[in-house]
Amino acid sequence: DAGITQSPRHKVTETGTPVTLRCHQTENHRYMYWYRQDPGHGLRLIHYSYGVKDTDKGEVSDGYSVSRSKTEDFLLTLESATSSQTSVYFCAISDPGQKSGEQYFGPGTRLTVT
Amino acid sequence: RKEVEQDPGPFNVPEGATVAFNCTYSNSASQSFFWYRQDCRKEPKLLMSVYSSGNEDGRFTAQLNRASQYISLLIRDSKLSDSATYLCVVNRAGGSYIPTFGRGTSLIVHP
Repeated sequence: DAGITQSPRHKVTETGTPVTLRCHQTENHRYMYWYRQDPGHGLRLIHYSYGVKDTDKGEVSDGYSVSRSKTEDFLLTLESATSSQTSVYFCAISDPGQKSGEQYFGPGTRLTVT
Repeated sequence: RKEVEQDPGPFNVPEGATVAFNCTYSNSASQSFFWYRQDCRKEPKLLMSVYSSGNEDGRFTAQLNRASQYISLLIRDSKLSDSATYLCVVNRAGGSYIPTFGRGTSLIVHP
């Protein structure tokens, strides 16, 4: 299995509080991604990174920001959490130089916003 | 039309059956294609890439039909452990590795 960890694995927080989720990889892959998965919607891309300090928005980026200061770490921040951000968040990595587009996922973070 | 569409199922089949899923995509310039498997409350895991000539991995066969813009997954001799959701994934064209996921097809294999 690819070396990807996510922390925390579970979190309950209150509306309006800031939340940061961390994704850490040991594979030295160039691309990192944050997704959310909700019933009826499947996996939706929030933000992605194609290198250190290089990030871009996905289809559901409103209310989220990201940072990547090191190859191995990709942080997702909810500046002011809302109940609509209750979801399961997955981080993924890929390295197009090795196998075009194949992604490997972390175990996920279950976030509940009350 | 959604970029990647799958029949959500569930497909309910007995052990030993052969089952096939299709997935259609809208962007004719899409470059690469994959099937992932996701177990309940777990992360998606790569099942297999889909190559233009078709490819097989044990009981699993994947096919790509560019003319009709669909990919398929065939599972032979279904096992109870094959019960999962199968996600179709299509990568955008142009070299940016930004995949689009289908919503998945649920498979239930029963004794």
